[in-house]
Amino acid sequence: AQSVAQPEDQVNVAEGNPLTVKCTYSVSGNPYLFWYVQYPNRGLQFLLKYITGDNLVKGSYGFEAEFNKSQTSFHLKKPSALVSDSALYFCAVLHSSASKIIFGSGTRLSIRP
Amino acid sequence: GAGVSQSPRYKVAKRGQDVALRCDPISGHVSLFWYQQALGQGPEFLTYFQNEAQLDKSGLPSDRFFAERPEGSVSTLKIQRTQQEDSAVYLCASSLWTINYGYTFGSGTRLTVV
Repeated sequence: AQSVAQPEDQVNVAEGNPLTVKCTYSVSGNPYLFWYVQYPNRGLQFLLKYITGDNLVKGSYGFEAEFNKSQTSFHLKKPSALVSDSALYFCAVLHSSASKIIFGSGTRLSIRP
Repeated sequence: GAGVSQSPRYKVAKRGQDVALRCDPISGHVSLFWYQQALGQGPEFLTYFQNEAQLDKSGLPSDRFFAERPEGSVSTLKIQRTQQEDSAVYLCASSLWTINYGYTFGSGTRLTVV
């Protein structure tokens, strides 16, 4: 069964430092992977997706994610964190039925000034 | 519309009461999804529509949950005889065609059962 795991409940980073939010996946076949962000009292916003092609995917707000097939990982990264990046981040994978996206448990990112 | 609209924004229901949650997807979006997000957790899939056809309802937790999209646009999620464990944010999302295009989520309806 398709699933994703986010091993960190919370990540704390100082503003201006690089950030990484980790995600590993378990799929049969080729993975379709996504990252979403959720700000307080708002719905989820799409950041980026990997379907095929380059292992480094660029997305919204300066975020990027690196697909690593050998490590079954899809970590979210940003070279220089902003306080406004503080939010809840979800990794997700397309289910094999293609009728739904399965979300991870989320990682709370906190950027301190 | 410009985005996915959900109403009401907040709903407080007494245990045993029936509730109806509405979702207006982006105009022209064929696919519509409902998710349940409990506090501090990731969204859990409930059901999926392609136009008016409900193609996947495997995530509906019990027969108290019912969803419809009769004209292939607006959708309603109905919960009968609400229980405290139904308290959650209910998210609706739509997609132009298939999931490969990604979802656009609404802001959700926060349901509190007291």
